[in-house]
Amino acid sequence: DAMVIQNPRYQVTQFGKPVTLSCSQTLNHNVMYWYQQKSSQAPKLLFHYYDKDFNNEADTPDNFQSRRPNTSFCFLDIRSPGLGDAAMYLCATSRVQGGTEAFFGQGTRLTVV
Amino acid sequence: AQRVTQPEKLLSVFKGAPVELKCNYSYSGSPELFWYVQYSRQRLQLLLRHISRESIKGFTADLNKGETSFHLKKPFAQEEDSAMYYCAPPLGTFGEGTQLTVNP
Repeated sequence: DAMVIQNPRYQVTQFGKPVTLSCSQTLNHNVMYWYQQKSSQAPKLLFHYYDKDFNNEADTPDNFQSRRPNTSFCFLDIRSPGLGDAAMYLCATSRVQGGTEAFFGQGTRLTVV
Repeated sequence: AQRVTQPEKLLSVFKGAPVELKCNYSYSGSPELFWYVQYSRQRLQLLLRHISRESIKGFTADLNKGETSFHLKKPFAQEEDSAMYYCAPPLGTFGEGTQLTVNP
């Protein structure tokens, strides 16, 4: 009965090779978020979509992009992964923008070799 | 912007002891705050929201506007409470997190 599903759970990519992480939700929530979580650190918000409106955090590198083709799916594209991009990437959803709880996926562990 | 601070990165208590995980916020207006928990190898999940004033797994959290705090408390800690706890506003920025370890 998973409601926010991230695929794959583990992803290995080569330095500089584009990679895409996927997230889907069955909650029909308006808002979808992408977080980056490095070891022993708090999740860091990269960007979020409110419906089709994209909201980028000021300090998110241009190397990170996102797409949301429909309500259910959201993708995180890393155009040229560096070693410093190795992390757990978390997808989350919420019903509205602010004021409600977020539901998280299991995360995708990205390794860059 | 809404900001929260969790001053303790690590907290260790013995089973049966009271535990308090601190969270302070620093923005005006009526804050909306949540506590999330991440057990080992599990997804991040909501533990408490301030508006519900409920008790989940024995934990409570009261919003103290005078002290700008939203501390998480449990009178008798259990080993299964060992986890990472994050205080967060509704959108975006999490606190740094507190790793709670409950020793037998």
